[in-house]
Amino acid sequence: NAGVTQTPKFRVLKTGQSMTLLCAQDMNHEYMYWYRQDPGMGLRLIHYSVGEGTTAKGEVPDGYNVSRLKKQNFLLGLESAAPSQTSVYFCASSPLKARNTEAFFGQGTRLTVV
Amino acid sequence: RKEVEQDPGPFNVPEGATVAFNCTYSNSASQSFFWYRQDCRKEPKLLMSVYSSGNEDGRFTAQLNRASQYISLLIRDSKLSDSATYLCVVIGGSNYKLTFGKGTLLTVNP
Repeated sequence: NAGVTQTPKFRVLKTGQSMTLLCAQDMNHEYMYWYRQDPGMGLRLIHYSVGEGTTAKGEVPDGYNVSRLKKQNFLLGLESAAPSQTSVYFCASSPLKARNTEAFFGQGTRLTVV
Repeated sequence: RKEVEQDPGPFNVPEGATVAFNCTYSNSASQSFFWYRQDCRKEPKLLMSVYSSGNEDGRFTAQLNRASQYISLLIRDSKLSDSATYLCVVIGGSNYKLTFGKGTLLTVNP
């Protein structure tokens, strides 16, 4: 059982380049989330999805887009990367109505924009 | 006021010490509360859920005070392996959005 898998694990981008981060979960979870983690800032929610075909903005959505075409996949896109998007990105998933249930995280994607 | 605020830390304690972390949340409609642990350069993992009646798991005790919108985590008899960042997590409102505190770094010294 793989749980939550993020690809890629590391990436270096040049300013202005685009890329897509993939998050895949095999637990049939309804909810999926994308966070970024920066030193001193904790985990900040970028976008999240409460089910297939639906997405919503989190705390820091600017510069990112997401899609949830399939229940098991949640894609995070950077259309034109900026150095301020250098961060560690974590994807997570949790069951519907995750009251007192666990959210599972991927291992993270370390992105550097130069 | 931030949605979830934690003690800024860092905490440096000797082995065997008792250490307590505190967290406050701003949304009175918050429904679920957790403590997660994050090791250096790793993903967060659930440590324990927090229930209104308080709950204990071995050396770890979590408390929730809904009236004061306050959550705590107590670690007794600290071990070297407890060294990590501890994250307070709140699920608030009707959208089941997980909101994290900034985390508190704990270092347990021999």
